[in-house]
Amino acid sequence: KNQVEQSPQSLIILEGKNCTLQCNYTVSPFSNLRWYKQDTGRGPVSLTIMTFSENTKSNGRYTATLDADTKQSSLHITASQLSDSASYICVVSAFFGNNRLAFGKGNQVVVIP
Amino acid sequence: NAGVTQTPKFQVLKTGQSMTLQCAQDMNHNSMYWYRQDPGMGLRLIYYSASEGTTDKGEVPNGYNVSRLNKREFSLRLESAAPSQTSVYFCASSASGGANEQFFGPGTRLTVL
Repeated sequence: KNQVEQSPQSLIILEGKNCTLQCNYTVSPFSNLRWYKQDTGRGPVSLTIMTFSENTKSNGRYTATLDADTKQSSLHITASQLSDSASYICVVSAFFGNNRLAFGKGNQVVVIP
Repeated sequence: NAGVTQTPKFQVLKTGQSMTLQCAQDMNHNSMYWYRQDPGMGLRLIYYSASEGTTDKGEVPNGYNVSRLNKREFSLRLESAAPSQTSVYFCASSASGGANEQFFGPGTRLTVL
């Protein structure tokens, strides 16, 4: 069973609208959680990182939240732009992880004008 | 800084052929990784190198070999390509293992006929 589950798998939103992506994980003991953005044909790029003690982190129009008790995270995109069309990947790291990260399958976002 | 570079960008092989994917980073990172990304599967770790001179198997190592040539370079070799190895391959690097941010290359799209 995948240790990181993301939903929805894909969504289409109108330019200027907001959207929220969800990530549930079972990785333990938890170290940190990152959201990566992957544009089509490119490698993933880190957007935010959150540790156990943080529950909100922003990067421009991207805001990530973390609830370590329920093992849930969300990524909120405000006032979407066409350039936000991408896959957003939730990645969780465990303590004593021996370089292993747990990757979600990604949320595919398409922003239309 | 170029970050993480990969060559080639695209490659088509016939079943049974061999090839080496090259990866180099200019960030003086200790750890390097090879992943494959398939539709609906997310990123999966093939091999990693925690530091120069060491390599370890990841989640899906069968059919692959790696060489950490020096601190900058980490290559992935397919000795006898199979159609199941058709995928997009990403190299990544990080300052050290575990929770540190991984920086990804642009990927190599490999098709095995």
